[in-house]
Amino acid sequence: AQSVTQPDIHITVSEGASLELRCNYSYGATPYLFWYVQSPGQGLQLLLKYFSGDTLVQGIKGFEAEFKRSQSSFNLRKPSVHWSDAAEYFCAVGERAAGNKLTFGGGTRVLVKP
Amino acid sequence: DAGITQSPRHKVTETGTPVTLRCHQTENHRYMYWYRQDPGHGLRLIHYSYGVKDTDKGEVSDGYSVSRSKTEDFLLTLESATSSQTSVYFCAISPSGTMVEQYFGPGTRLTVT
Repeated sequence: AQSVTQPDIHITVSEGASLELRCNYSYGATPYLFWYVQSPGQGLQLLLKYFSGDTLVQGIKGFEAEFKRSQSSFNLRKPSVHWSDAAEYFCAVGERAAGNKLTFGGGTRVLVKP
Repeated sequence: DAGITQSPRHKVTETGTPVTLRCHQTENHRYMYWYRQDPGHGLRLIHYSYGVKDTDKGEVSDGYSVSRSKTEDFLLTLESATSSQTSVYFCAISPSGTMVEQYFGPGTRLTVT
């Protein structure tokens, strides 16, 4: 069965600094990978996704992620963080079988210091 | 935003009582899902549906049942609520096709006392 690990439970970053969130997955084949963001009291919003092709994918809000097969990783990055990026971020891996089911990591909460 | 609503948005209930949460979509998407969110666990799949009257279990299905009698509605029922079912519940939808992303509702906060 697939699994997702987000090693960092909390990250604090200064506004304007760069951000990198780690995600490691376990899956037997080429994975479908997603990053979602959840603002306090809200549902989840898709930031970006990787299915195949270019291993560097661009998403909304200035985020990007890089798929590295050799490291089983899909890390999320942003060059310059804004106060509005304070939220919880979830990495997920999708099953290729019918149902489009997702397995989520435990999440990383990002705090932004002024 | 995807047309997904959840009701109620907040509920407090007592141990042993039945509870039904409703998810309604206006997108006519094939797949619907129920997740629970607990600190440190991310989101865990409870049940999902791949069509009217077609449902299957997820990772944490014990104590939960679901029904889908119409494309637009997916109901989650806790037959006899327990304190361990205190959580935030999210509904999600996804269209047909291979590994299309899921779209999430606003969530329902359920407290079982």
